[in-house]
Amino acid sequence: AQSVTQLDSHVSVSEGTPVLLRCNYSSSYSPSLFWYVQHPNKGLQLLLKYTSAATLVKGINGFEAEFKKSETSFHLTKPSAHMSDAAEYFCVVSESASNTDKLIFGTGTRLQVFP
Amino acid sequence: NAGVTQTPKFRVLKTGQSMTLLCAQDMNHEYMYWYRQDPGMGLRLIHYSVGEGTTAKGEVPDGYNVSRLKKQNFLLGLESAAPSQTSVYFCASSPDWGNEQFFGPGTRLTVL
Repeated sequence: AQSVTQLDSHVSVSEGTPVLLRCNYSSSYSPSLFWYVQHPNKGLQLLLKYTSAATLVKGINGFEAEFKKSETSFHLTKPSAHMSDAAEYFCVVSESASNTDKLIFGTGTRLQVFP
Repeated sequence: NAGVTQTPKFRVLKTGQSMTLLCAQDMNHEYMYWYRQDPGMGLRLIHYSVGEGTTAKGEVPDGYNVSRLKKQNFLLGLESAAPSQTSVYFCASSPDWGNEQFFGPGTRLTVL
């Protein structure tokens, strides 16, 4: 069965320090993996996606994520947090095989950035 | 180029009332989706469409119906609203499955 687990519901960092948002997944097939960001009272915006090409994926606003098949992880990182990074982040798994189309969102990680 | 728009932005219903949420996209995308977002539960897929005239059930379809009569529009209907349907509803579109989804700004629905 397909599932997504975001290991932290809240993460707090100081501005200028690294960010790590953790995501583990399970999938029966070769999945596509995404990270989306949602700022308050806004829709979701794509940060980056993995679709079986390079395992290190670079996204917008300095974020990147590494696909590790052996660990079934797709953690999101950023070297230096900015105040504008404060938002909710969602890890998403998508797979399509035979007659099954699955799209599963994680429960989200709220990132707080302190001055 | 407006992207994905949703109408209305806010709505309050009484239990048993019906309503339709409208989603429109101007990117000529084949796929469209309706999600609901509840605190601590992320987004859950209600229904989706892989093209004009086609719809399919997602993770939480009960109590909702959808229609895709035109490629650019995807309607979500609640025939008899229940308090459990109080949520924020997001529409999204994508050119195909497994690709980036573009989201609308959301509709906040309260059912009393």
